[in-house]
Amino acid sequence: GNSVTQMEGPVTLSEEAFLTINCTYTATGYPSLFWYVQYPGEGLQLLLKATKADDKGSNKGFEATYRKETTSFHLEKGSVQVSDSAVYFCALKKVFGYIPTFGRGTSLIVHP
Amino acid sequence: EPEVTQTPSHQVTQMGQEVILRCVPISNHLYFYWYRQILGQKVEFLVSFYNNEISEKSEIFDDQFSVERPDGSNFTLKIRSTKLEDSAMYFCASSARREGPYNEQFFGPGTRLTVL
Repeated sequence: GNSVTQMEGPVTLSEEAFLTINCTYTATGYPSLFWYVQYPGEGLQLLLKATKADDKGSNKGFEATYRKETTSFHLEKGSVQVSDSAVYFCALKKVFGYIPTFGRGTSLIVHP
Repeated sequence: EPEVTQTPSHQVTQMGQEVILRCVPISNHLYFYWYRQILGQKVEFLVSFYNNEISEKSEIFDDQFSVERPDGSNFTLKIRSTKLEDSAMYFCASSARREGPYNEQFFGPGTRLTVL
């Protein structure tokens, strides 16, 4: 079946450091891939998505590229801010599906 | 900006008790969902609801669970007789459509359920 594996957290960084949160997936066919973010006290929000191989999703300085050959969708940001502290969830939706399959979430803590 | 709200933010209950988790979806949305996340584990789909009936449910959503849209604004998840393993964060979500454009699900902040 479909599954998503994320790196364990928490990830602790200093402000302006480079961020990578790894995500790999297992799925049949060509799923759509997503990153959601949950800020403290808020709901999960869609951060970015990619619907086909080699697509790059980007938003708020975050990027992730759909890599079919490595079945990965790693989240990156060149310079993190304290306000980026949150939990990040990688997810996929299978073709013609509407229910996302989520990973466990990775907590990011950014110190000033 | 419209948002999904959930109450309470934290619910503590005794094993065997009934709990009702409440959600107010975005007002013009037609599709509603519940998910849960046991601490340290993945966010799991429980159920989707459309036109006053369940459209899909997972294996987790057994006879102990039920959902209801009692009025035009609320969407509830009831657990009839809670077990220790029901302790989790429960997320409600809603979407305008199920597929195609406008199918993005908007999530609430969650209700943390603790069963003692």
